[in-house]
Amino acid sequence: RKEVEQDPGPFNVPEGATVAFNCTYSNSASQSFFWYRQDCRKEPKLLMSVYSSGNEDGRFTAQLNRASQYISLLIRDSKLSDSATYLCVVNRMGNSGAGSYQLTFGKGTKLSVIP
Amino acid sequence: GAGVSQTPSNKVTEKGKYVELRCDPISGHTALYWYRQSLGQGPEFLIYFQGTGAADDSGLPNDRFFAVRPEGSVSTLKIQRTERGDSAVYLCASSKWTSGSADTQYFGPGTRLTVL
Repeated sequence: RKEVEQDPGPFNVPEGATVAFNCTYSNSASQSFFWYRQDCRKEPKLLMSVYSSGNEDGRFTAQLNRASQYISLLIRDSKLSDSATYLCVVNRMGNSGAGSYQLTFGKGTKLSVIP
Repeated sequence: GAGVSQTPSNKVTEKGKYVELRCDPISGHTALYWYRQSLGQGPEFLIYFQGTGAADDSGLPNDRFFAVRPEGSVSTLKIQRTERGDSAVYLCASSKWTSGSADTQYFGPGTRLTVL
């Protein structure tokens, strides 16, 4: 089983739609959780961190359920500019036990917002 | 300010050749990471430096891969006897290190390596 699994996608949605991405992780020692966005042939960029209390940034809402090891991202009122691949990412303790630094990425879910 | 830079942006080489990929992190970031991203996959961790030393190289696939960071800033990823399966985008990231853990990792644009 892959350490981070995401919806396979792709998601094709009309402008203005609400779209939800789901992600599960297998390592219960995972400490930090993120959604990154990656445009075609570009580097990944941090979209938002994910906290147990849930957090919102404009049209984007992220949720974390540690008990079920589940992470979600909701995009409301989607825009053409939201078209990208969304990567679910967890950050766990390194082998040395000191600090947490290794990012483990899911395969990503591609979103295309259609006019 | 300046972000993470990587050179070259593209590298085409022949099977069996040696290649070096360079990463220049954000100034003041003590932590530096290398990842590899194959087509259709998310990035996979290769190696992490804290200062000059490789704190964790558990992601390097085999002994053909080696990385250095001699002065704690610029890093070079070295691949010997390249194979077609090494073709991928090699991403470098850097972060600050505060309170015993890493802050947000910022990625460079990557080097697209093609082994013919």
